[in-house]
Amino acid sequence: QKEVEQNSGPLSVPEGAIASLNCTYSDRGSQSFFWYRQYSGKSPELIMSIYSNGDKEDGRFTAQLNKASQYVSLLIRDSQPSDSATYLCAVGHGSNTGKLIFGQGTTLQVKP
Amino acid sequence: GAGVSQSPSNKVTEKGKDVELRCDPISGHTALYWYRQSLGQGLEFLIYFQGNSAPDKSGLPSDRFSAERTGGSVSTLTIQRTQQEDSAVYLCASSLDGVGRVLKETQYFGPGTRLLVL
Repeated sequence: QKEVEQNSGPLSVPEGAIASLNCTYSDRGSQSFFWYRQYSGKSPELIMSIYSNGDKEDGRFTAQLNKASQYVSLLIRDSQPSDSATYLCAVGHGSNTGKLIFGQGTTLQVKP
Repeated sequence: GAGVSQSPSNKVTEKGKDVELRCDPISGHTALYWYRQSLGQGLEFLIYFQGNSAPDKSGLPSDRFSAERTGGSVSTLTIQRTQQEDSAVYLCASSLDGVGRVLKETQYFGPGTRLLVL
């Protein structure tokens, strides 16, 4: 059973702090990794993708991947109340399919 | 351009009735996915259509669930003899079925259909 695990939270951080969201996966064959943000009552929206070990930065967001440890994380710098949402980690196998396995999501609360 | 659209946005039905949920993917996207999200839960994969290939139905929870995709575009998810545990948000996503992995796996979601079975 291929699994993607996330701490459900809530993770609470003060405005301006760094929020760190973590995800582990069980399938060593996984090759692509995504972070989706989902506001309450809305559908998920893609915010980051990462395929290689190391860090990938996009504005206030940094995705980190460590395939040896089967671990992917998302850092949000200068957290804002508008970042309060559920963050879903998704993992792709990289075979000839676009199918993704999603984690349960981590709820982030940024307090003013 | 237009994103993924789904209809209806909300559906209330009685236990035992059949329901049909519709998804219209982004124009040009040949891969289409259906997911189910129960309250406070993650996304549960249901079914995946990729171009002209046979669909991946491995996530369908029972034979009451079926889906079809006509003309490689619009898809309909049908739930027969609905049960209360079928109540959830049903999300559709689409992606480009390109040669590269990036295109295949970058999924764009529709707004979802909220299904309530009484």
